[in-house]
Amino acid sequence: EDKVVQSPLSLVVHEGDTVTLNCSYEVTNFRSLLWYKQEKKAPTFLFMLTSSGIEKKSGRLSSILDKKELFSILNITATQTGDSAVYLCAGRPRTSGSRLTFGEGTQLTVNP
Amino acid sequence: SAVISQKPSRDICQRGTSLTIQCQVDSQVTMMFWYRQQPGQSLTLIATANQGSEATYESGFVIDKFPISRPNLTFSTLTVSNMSPEDSSIYLCSAGDTYMNTEAFFGQGTRLTVV
Repeated sequence: EDKVVQSPLSLVVHEGDTVTLNCSYEVTNFRSLLWYKQEKKAPTFLFMLTSSGIEKKSGRLSSILDKKELFSILNITATQTGDSAVYLCAGRPRTSGSRLTFGEGTQLTVNP
Repeated sequence: SAVISQKPSRDICQRGTSLTIQCQVDSQVTMMFWYRQQPGQSLTLIATANQGSEATYESGFVIDKFPISRPNLTFSTLTVSNMSPEDSSIYLCSAGDTYMNTEAFFGQGTRLTVV
């Protein structure tokens, strides 16, 4: 059974801090790892990682995948209160219709 | 990218009743998925909706409780049957293509409260 584990489960920081969110995975016939931000109901897509060592970057957010260690991190620099959300990572296999296995999520709270 | 319209956005239902949630995709997609997110928890896959065949359910979910329809490549419904307070959750539909390694798109979600 596929498994995705995130840490920490919750994190409280001050505006301007840099945070690192962790995601480890065990996905049979792994294809890609995806990061989402969930503020209310619908997760919004951040990154999809397929290859090891290639950093994906979007503004203050960046992410990288280590396929040898089965691990990914999401970095957020110069955090803002608008970054407060649950961050979800999910593993996707090559088979099974590309359905996703989600981790528990990291609840990030950024205080002013 | 695909846009998924999900409705209703929220509902409060009496126990013992049923609610049908609809998802409409603006383009044809091979696979549609239904997830449940119980309060304070992550997304759990309920089933994969296949066009022209029965849905494939994950362990712990059964067709009698969560019947799913997929009449064409752009539409699917999930019914939550004989509801109890334990069914209070956010329900999300998602769409993706079996063969393309692209992001999975989500509907806006349905927040269900059973009283």
